[in-house]
Amino acid sequence: DSGVTQTPKHLITATGQRVTLRCSPRSGDLSVYWYQQSLDQGLQFLIQYYNGEERAKGNILERFSAQQFPDLHSELNLSSLELGDSALYFCASSVEGLAGVDTQYFGPGTRLTVL
Amino acid sequence: GQQVMQIPQYQHVQEGEDFTTYCNSSTTLSNIQWYKQRPGGHPVFLIQLVKSGEVKKQKRLTFQFGEAKKNSSLHITATQTTDVGTYFCAGDTDKLIFGTGTRLQVFP
Repeated sequence: DSGVTQTPKHLITATGQRVTLRCSPRSGDLSVYWYQQSLDQGLQFLIQYYNGEERAKGNILERFSAQQFPDLHSELNLSSLELGDSALYFCASSVEGLAGVDTQYFGPGTRLTVL
Repeated sequence: GQQVMQIPQYQHVQEGEDFTTYCNSSTTLSNIQWYKQRPGGHPVFLIQLVKSGEVKKQKRLTFQFGEAKKNSSLHITATQTTDVGTYFCAGDTDKLIFGTGTRLQVFP
């Protein structure tokens, strides 16, 4: 158990809908990262927040947005969902949010299925 | 953009055989991390390499960072069925870029 929690574990929805994925980082970690992992694919970095502020952006679609709240939990919002958005979405957290310095601890993931 | 490629994509070995996965970056890295993801699980941090030419060992696992800091390797000696999973390298620039991963299958 990494100490990072993600809800829900599974999500099934229809095309065109909007969903929100939630992540609570490890106690003491200030940075949160979001990744997308499609079937048999690697991890695609989406976005990183540090202490409430956006720090780095990856291959995140304009239909997707995220934020980190004062209590440091984060939400990833996915809208106008398409079939291709079906994937495993991981949240990770680290202490300082310095890429390559901090160890990232991954949550169990949310499996999103778009029908 | 920066790319981190891993080879092979898949590797099937007999238990007891050795296994190596190679990681190559298109740009020089500050450091590199390795993660393991078991089937159905989430990535778990294994190790970080920082120095040029650095070699680190964890029991049967040997990690190496290239002299030019653009490539890295993970070698597992005498694989066991518990080694099954996908091994990712992750290279650092201003953000961590994960490699494409190598999926290891070990047959008993």
